[in-house]
Amino acid sequence: AQSVTQLGSHVSVSEGALVLLRCNYSSSVPPYLFWYVQYPNQGLQLLLKYTTGATLVKGINGFEAEFKKSETSFHLTKPSAHMSDAAEYFCAVSELGSARQLTFGSGTQLTVLP
Amino acid sequence: DVKVTQSSRYLVKRTGEKVFLECVQDMDHENMFWYRQDPGLGLRLIYFSYDVKMKEKGDIPEGYSVSREKKERFSLILESASTNQTSMYLCASSATGTQFEAFFGQGTRLTVV
Repeated sequence: AQSVTQLGSHVSVSEGALVLLRCNYSSSVPPYLFWYVQYPNQGLQLLLKYTTGATLVKGINGFEAEFKKSETSFHLTKPSAHMSDAAEYFCAVSELGSARQLTFGSGTQLTVLP
Repeated sequence: DVKVTQSSRYLVKRTGEKVFLECVQDMDHENMFWYRQDPGLGLRLIYFSYDVKMKEKGDIPEGYSVSREKKERFSLILESASTNQTSMYLCASSATGTQFEAFFGQGTRLTVV
């Protein structure tokens, strides 16, 4: 069975600082990995995804994530935080051959300080 | 542009009422999902459907049922609403063969009083 752990339910960074949101997954087969962002009172929007191929994935709004199989991790980073990045971020996993749903982590609330 | 539309953004219902949450997608997706979102728990899958009239239980189906009579529409039903069903409900859809990338609606914040 697949599962996702997001370390840190709340992360605060200063504007212009590095953003690092951590995600570790458990999967018995090669996973597909996703990061979604949720702004207040909104649905979820896809930031980026890893399926196959290049392990460093670039997404929207300057975010990127690196799939590290040996560490079962898919951490999300952004070199320089902007105030508009304040939101909740969810890591998710699905498995080739499984039922067609995503399994989500518990989310990380990102606060950007001026 | 991809669109998943949930019929209500906010709902207030009384305990014991039958509640219908409607979701429509315009992308001809095979798969549709209902999630519940609670603080600190992330998104938990209630039910999903991979075809018309087909449904599968997710992780927390108790107290809920679903209906999918048409490909574009997936309804979540609370047979007898209870206060512990107060939550944000998110509908999503995906196409088979696209690594299960899901597209989400705006959410329905349901309060049961």
